[in-house]
Amino acid sequence: KNEVEQSPQNLTAQEGEFITINCSYSVGISALHWLQQHPGGGIVSLFMLSSGKKKHGRLIATINIQEKHSSLHITASHPRDSAVYICAPTFGNEKLTFGTGTRLTIIP
Amino acid sequence: KAGVTQTPRYLIKTRGQQVTLSCSPISGHRSVSWYQQTPGQGLQFLFEYFSETQRNKGNFPGRFSGRQFSNSRSEMNVSTLELGDSALYLCASSLGGPTNSPLHFGNGTRLTVT
Repeated sequence: KNEVEQSPQNLTAQEGEFITINCSYSVGISALHWLQQHPGGGIVSLFMLSSGKKKHGRLIATINIQEKHSSLHITASHPRDSAVYICAPTFGNEKLTFGTGTRLTIIP
Repeated sequence: KAGVTQTPRYLIKTRGQQVTLSCSPISGHRSVSWYQQTPGQGLQFLFEYFSETQRNKGNFPGRFSGRQFSNSRSEMNVSTLELGDSALYLCASSLGGPTNSPLHFGNGTRLTVT
């Protein structure tokens, strides 16, 4: 069974703090997506990774294929970053498997 | 460029009825995938279509079906609705599919079954 584990489930931090969200999976993957979901339901794709590291603004995503682990980092966090972050690997068959999500709250 | 459009946004149906949801992808995208989100189960994959062919299907009963048209627009159908089908249904489009292309999500259709 392809399993995905995310941690932490909930994270509260002060504005400006460096944030790390982790994602581990059990078998080899083809690609991994990091998604952001705000209250109200809309989902935005932040990154798609198959190796290495990607950066977009204050967001950085890394993946270690050998360790079967990916991390999402947010630098200089801001209240508007408050959302649920979800990792979603694909296992080579166009089928996404989702982590349970990390609910991030940034306090001003 | 227009984003992914899902219609309708909200739907209320009675148990036993059937429902059809629509998803119009970004122009040029040939892959459309569908997902169900519930508070209890989280996000789950329903199916993925590419150039009118279903390439993969999630673990849902046969009451859940879909199709894709030649213009890449996709529909999903749920027959004989059950209370547990109440959920947010999301579709996402991409150029080549979730394995090799970034996903663009629609705003979802919130289905309530009474």
